[in-house]
Amino acid sequence: GAVVSQHPSWVICKSGTSVKIECRSLDFQATTMFWYRQFPKQSLMLMATSNEGSKATYEQGVEKDKFLINHASLTLSTLTVTSAHPEDSSFYICSAGGLAGDEQFFGPGTRLTVL
Amino acid sequence: GENVEQHPSTLSVQEGDSAVIKCTYSDSASNYFPWYKQELGKRPQLIIDIRSNVGEKKDQRIAVTLNKTAKHFSLHITETQPEDSAVYFCAASRNNDMRFGAGTRLTVKP
Repeated sequence: GAVVSQHPSWVICKSGTSVKIECRSLDFQATTMFWYRQFPKQSLMLMATSNEGSKATYEQGVEKDKFLINHASLTLSTLTVTSAHPEDSSFYICSAGGLAGDEQFFGPGTRLTVL
Repeated sequence: GENVEQHPSTLSVQEGDSAVIKCTYSDSASNYFPWYKQELGKRPQLIIDIRSNVGEKKDQRIAVTLNKTAKHFSLHITETQPEDSAVYFCAASRNNDMRFGAGTRLTVKP
């Protein structure tokens, strides 16, 4: 299957700082990338959908000025958590789509801990 | 928007028994239904999927059934093994808009 990488795999930061997470599709061109957040013992919640070269579409309740998404190329999307707070601590997972049907290929996730 | 409900939230079975997880969805236009297995701290792993033009699909010990009329689909795992223990998520998708169920924690006791 298609391979999606994510970097970093974990990050610890101080409250008030910004953190950037990268998501790359390694062996295919992803026209659409998705960002999910997963709190402990909960399901994956879609945060936003991004299409290459256009602005991301955010889900209701997700602050677009706090979670900046850039999808500058068909293989790279970035999520920047700005002015992070402890409540932003979570597991962030990206996925890439654009191949057959609605199938999505998930990255390994990034564990963010905000102190 | 789409709403996916999943039951049960936890399931404990004896090794060798079968496990069944059920999901319902609300959007009749959803046409892609994947099932994922997620181990702690790892990415969701696709284990089987089904599209709306098919009623059943099987892959070795894993099978999925879809009832479009009732808007529900189920995962069946036969001859369960301890390594099947994980959290399983169903999802329903339409036009790349994928929504997940709340998850089922499956424990297979040796």
